[in-house]
Amino acid sequence: VQLVESGGGLVQPGGSLRLSCTASGFNFSTYIFNWVRQAPGKGLEWVSYISITGRTIYSADSVKGRFTISRDNTKNSVFLQMSSLRDEDTATYFCARSNNGNWFDPWGQGTRVTVSS
Amino acid sequence: DIQMTQSPSSVSASVGDRVTITCRASQGISSWLAWFQQKPGKAPDLLIYAASSLQSGVPPRFSGSGSGTGFTLTISSLQPEDFATYYCQQVHSFPYTFGQGTKLEIK
Repeated sequence: VQLVESGGGLVQPGGSLRLSCTASGFNFSTYIFNWVRQAPGKGLEWVSYISITGRTIYSADSVKGRFTISRDNTKNSVFLQMSSLRDEDTATYFCARSNNGNWFDPWGQGTRVTVSS
Repeated sequence: DIQMTQSPSSVSASVGDRVTITCRASQGISSWLAWFQQKPGKAPDLLIYAASSLQSGVPPRFSGSGSGTGFTLTISSLQPEDFATYYCQQVHSFPYTFGQGTKLEIK
């Protein structure tokens, strides 16, 4: 069972970035996924949730209207489209699988996003 | 939003010590609580789910208890590999929220 994030990097304020999380070792289409971020030296912040079908989505107020979670069950991948990026979005972004009860396990290794001019 | 408050924020302990970390929810969350361990530069690992269920592969020296608004994580006999930061998380309702973390350091 493995989750691998990609797509992070340096972006200017106001810019956009698309993160990917590619899964392997399990039946991707039967699980829920979440994105969680961690600013440098800070704690964990839940960002977004997507249901098995992709029809139910929840996002934190801090990213609502700017970030969009999606999934492609044919590619075993979940995505986070980030736009109108701000300095405070600088963080390592983790994807996490949710099993029954929405327990987050496992997590990917994370991808770092830096928003700076 | 449900606020999760952990205490202490940091604790120093020695190998072999018993350590307890507390997590308090701002409203009742039944048993919808998880505990994670995070080491520097790594992703969090699930230790405890449903407040008291031990995740597969996690040593039995870790245990969780509580329901409603008060929860505890106990490490019965600290091992060198246990020095890390611990987070609680509620999955009772959106937005899911984490405690601020408890850093467990070597005395």
